[in-house]
Amino acid sequence: GEDVEQSLFLSVREGDSSVINCTYTDSSSTYLYWYKQEPGAGLQLLTYIFSNMDMKQDQRLTVLLNKKDKHLSLRIADTQTGDSAIYFCAEREGGFKTIFGAGTRLFVKA
Amino acid sequence: GAVVSQHPSWVICKSGTSVKIECRSLDFQATTMFWYRQFPKQSLMLMATSNEGSKATYEQGVEKDKFLINHASLTLSTLTVTSAHPEDSSFYICSAREAGTNTGELFFGEGSRLTVL
Repeated sequence: GEDVEQSLFLSVREGDSSVINCTYTDSSSTYLYWYKQEPGAGLQLLTYIFSNMDMKQDQRLTVLLNKKDKHLSLRIADTQTGDSAIYFCAEREGGFKTIFGAGTRLFVKA
Repeated sequence: GAVVSQHPSWVICKSGTSVKIECRSLDFQATTMFWYRQFPKQSLMLMATSNEGSKATYEQGVEKDKFLINHASLTLSTLTVTSAHPEDSSFYICSAREAGTNTGELFFGEGSRLTVL
């Protein structure tokens, strides 16, 4: 079946950049997403990228997509303690079914 | 922005009882809602896709008689955990897709934590 993989843990210092990586298997994915989950809460969409794009920037967030390698990354510039959360990479299959990775827990040290 | 509300946020019940969790889209119509289950430090496991006015589509390995899903209106889907047992204890999250959009963006509820004693 389709699969989304990402590293489970990332620790950075406040003010540094964070880069969270993700790989996926479905070459027909149309949209790829990054969601953020804070403790005990649901998921919040951070950003998404359409499969015919290779980069999208939104304030402190930069998404890079390498469709050939099926690799997606999320860069958070000037990481703050409030960015500490779990970040989920997700891909949309045909239709509207969305497959999520296991989540990367970002820990920001002050 | 679009808001999805889940109720209750947390529930504790005795083994053998049934528990109903509601998922509402507050300011948009949702033809499709999704129910997920999340174990500690793990990803979301899609349980079923709920389409308004029709039967839910369950993922492989999810017992449809155990997890009853009803999507009676464009703003409400319910998940009923029947005859709950301790192994059903989990964090249940719903999401909704706004009718007429194509980006596939999902709006998530806050989640409902179920503890079965």
